[in-house]
Amino acid sequence: GAGVSQSPRYKVAKRGQDVALRCDPISGHVSLFWYQQALGQGPEFLTYFQNEAQLDKSGLPSDRFFAERPEGSVSTLKIQRTQQEDSAVYLCASSGEVRGSGSHPNLPYNEQFFGPGTRLTVL
Amino acid sequence: GQNIDQPTEMTATEGAIVQINCTYQTSGFNGLFWYQQHAGEAPTFLSYNVLDGLEEKGRFSSFLSRSKGYSYLLLKELQMKDSASYLCAVRNDYKLSFGAGTTVTVRA
Repeated sequence: GAGVSQSPRYKVAKRGQDVALRCDPISGHVSLFWYQQALGQGPEFLTYFQNEAQLDKSGLPSDRFFAERPEGSVSTLKIQRTQQEDSAVYLCASSGEVRGSGSHPNLPYNEQFFGPGTRLTVL
Repeated sequence: GQNIDQPTEMTATEGAIVQINCTYQTSGFNGLFWYQQHAGEAPTFLSYNVLDGLEEKGRFSSFLSRSKGYSYLLLKELQMKDSASYLCAVRNDYKLSFGAGTTVTVRA
């Protein structure tokens, strides 16, 4: 597809249940990011992949959170033993280098393209 | 650490101009992004500034002053469809740190 897709769009889990959230990035994008967005807040960084390598997982809130991208394309964010505080929208983004334009034609930047997110509700 | 501040809410009339300010104090800086997010949807890219000055893109303009840790997004000729949350994000290497977002409501 043309954009980043995520599934499921909505997930309701009982406390203690494990969940798996999927992200399909834009084809050819090397970089992939996961964010957590609480209601009324901006997205908070969770983890970053470059191809299949997880280069940064400093934002994962606990060891119950695990992400993988085994073949460097699709990624899965897994949350074990979900808690009520895990309720949020989980956003995936991918990026590739873009040459700058306008007054700064030679400055590259990496626009992140976001998926629609998965809204997780833990009861 | 990262500290990114923007107003929580703004209201304006259709056809008017609104300016959304963003101030930041971050441990590193490789550019500032503005994203638009409609309720229940993905953030979509609006603008990017890495050098001081104004970037204009149609009805939207964004300004950056690195020495002041300050940016603004200017929305001109407001339309009802511009009602959304506007997110300021600072990039440090590959990582984006977002503000909490400014909800703009456009009234007829």
